[in-house]
Amino acid sequence: DSGVTQTPKHLITATGQRVTLRCSPRSGDLSVYWYQQSLDQGLQFLIQYYNGEERAKGNILERFSAQQFPDLHSELNLSSLELGDSALYFCASSVQPLNEQFFGPGTRLTVL
Amino acid sequence: AQKVTQAQTEISVVEKEDVTLDCVYETRDTTYYLFWYKQPPSGELVFLIRRNSFDEQNEISGRYSWNFQKSTSSFNFTITASQVVDSAVYFCALRYTDKLIFGTGTRLQVFP
Repeated sequence: DSGVTQTPKHLITATGQRVTLRCSPRSGDLSVYWYQQSLDQGLQFLIQYYNGEERAKGNILERFSAQQFPDLHSELNLSSLELGDSALYFCASSVQPLNEQFFGPGTRLTVL
Repeated sequence: AQKVTQAQTEISVVEKEDVTLDCVYETRDTTYYLFWYKQPPSGELVFLIRRNSFDEQNEISGRYSWNFQKSTSSFNFTITASQVVDSAVYFCALRYTDKLIFGTGTRLQVFP
């Protein structure tokens, strides 16, 4: 158990819908990262927050957004969902941005 | 460009065999960090090791060992006396700025 929690574990929804994935980092970790794992793209970095501020952006679609709250938990919002958004979404956290990242169990999103 | 290549898509071994997973990286940075993560069938990503570019000493942790060679830009992972519980997908990653760039992973199947 890495100490990073993600909810929900599974999510099944329809195209065009909007969902929110939630992540609680390890106690004391200030940095939160979101990654997407899909069969065709592999593991891809989406976005990073550090102490409430966006710090880095990767290949994140405009339909996706995220934020980190004062209690350091983070949410990833996915809207206008498409079939291709079906993937495993991981949250990771680290004490500081340059430290090793510990991953949560992931949220498996299925878009029908 | 930053890139990680894991040329072995899938490896099958019989229990107690030694197995080496290859990782080749590309980076123009002089200081960089490399990682290995394990993804068992349950899906979570488990951190195994972090190695910085200044430390070329090989690392051993129980049955696991890592061979870092800057001259060949490789960071290979060896499991000695493999066990069925080692069956998983193993990812090598390179940290670029704050994000991790992952290889495509090597699926290791250990048969009894």
